[in-house]
Amino acid sequence: EVQLVQSGAEVKKPGESLKISCKGSGYSFTSFWIGWVRQMPGKGLEWMGIIYLGGSDTRYSPSFQGQVTISADKSISTAYLQWSSLKASDTAMYYCASAVHGTTYFDDWGQGTLVTVSS
Amino acid sequence: QSALTQPASVSGSPGQSITISCTGTSSDVGRYNYVSWYQQHPGKAPKLMIYEVSNRPSGVSNRFSGSKSGNTASLTISGLQAEDEADYYCSSYTSSSPSYVFGTGTKVTVL
Repeated sequence: EVQLVQSGAEVKKPGESLKISCKGSGYSFTSFWIGWVRQMPGKGLEWMGIIYLGGSDTRYSPSFQGQVTISADKSISTAYLQWSSLKASDTAMYYCASAVHGTTYFDDWGQGTLVTVSS
Repeated sequence: QSALTQPASVSGSPGQSITISCTGTSSDVGRYNYVSWYQQHPGKAPKLMIYEVSNRPSGVSNRFSGSKSGNTASLTISGLQAEDEADYYCSSYTSSSPSYVFGTGTKVTVL
């Protein structure tokens, strides 16, 4: 069974940097895509971007291009979402989700990482 | 890439059937048979309910069904139960980066 475990909740100040993680287990993740999803308080789901763990393909939503960096360490089946300078508007729940390469649906999800940015 | 359009809320009584629509464009819903539906209970991670328009993952009740016509996909919940009260989101593969787009979300209320 595929499991995605995300890093814990974070409280940061505006301007600080942050890197959160999503570790997969239960399968060989080199054949998986990992997607990152933002959910702002009381709002809907938004795709931020996806990364293929079996190669170098990374795709960003135009809304998040240049605002975050998605990366991965395939050797430890872990994907990352990174900010260089947080804003209060980055306060949200962030989910990672996995899709088997060649499919178009994300059938396993992490538990979410709550990021709070406040001065 | 604009979000797919869903009704903000849909309600029904226990045992009834409800349908949630998801309207996109010829670049996403209309172009690909790659529409998924996710259920999200408050404070929980989303759960895949339907994939590739009408397929159910193992373990998902057969009360959930999906379909598509043109640029609009639909999720039908039959025999509505209290546990179905949740937010539902459609998602489609799209020709625009990052290859996927969500719907605006629909809150389902069981009266």
